[in-house]
Amino acid sequence: SAVISQKPSRDICQRGTSLTIQCQVDSQVTMMFWYRQQPGQSLTLIATANQGSEATYESGFVIDKFPISRPNLTFSTLTVSNMSPEDSSIYLCSVEDGYEQYFGPGTRLTVT
Amino acid sequence: QKEVEQNSGPLSVPEGAIASLNCTYSDRVSQSFFWYRQYSGKSPELIMSIYSNGDKEDGRFTAQLNKASQYVSLLIRDSQPSDSATYLCAVGRWGGTSYGKLTFGQGTILTVHP
Repeated sequence: SAVISQKPSRDICQRGTSLTIQCQVDSQVTMMFWYRQQPGQSLTLIATANQGSEATYESGFVIDKFPISRPNLTFSTLTVSNMSPEDSSIYLCSVEDGYEQYFGPGTRLTVT
Repeated sequence: QKEVEQNSGPLSVPEGAIASLNCTYSDRVSQSFFWYRQYSGKSPELIMSIYSNGDKEDGRFTAQLNKASQYVSLLIRDSQPSDSATYLCAVGRWGGTSYGKLTFGQGTILTVHP
């Protein structure tokens, strides 16, 4: 399976600021996804990032809050904008390989 | 009704026993089903995928799917303390170009005690 890395691995941010999370894959993939895992909760899909097209967002997530870039087949970024303490979560990118999906190590975000 | 439901547990089994984890889903057109294992502080790790009715075995793991009952399960044979983790059931739905939009259950915490 693909090797996925994320930067940063963790960060503590002030409310009202923005953080951009990077996701790098060691091979070209068509589909990349961004998920959020709030404390003690399961994973929730934020958006799907296809190279060359706009990201598609799930209900409850909007582009102004979570802008996504997908400049090529090995890289994507998720920005968490105008952060509030409720945005404190683990953010995970994943890639699709065939029908299976593999996750990066995650970015643990704490907003104070 | 939640789209994907799991018993949150915790499920406690002795070492060497069979652990049985269950999951039900509400969307009848779901086509892909996955079990992930998540250790505390780590990201989910794919352990099984299943797409058609019946059983699929991989080492100590067996996934079972019954689309008519909208039910998927995971059996872990000869459970080991290292199997202690949260097990997440995920169901794939169509996203326009793939079945990659996963909906996760809340997870079942499994504890295997020596």
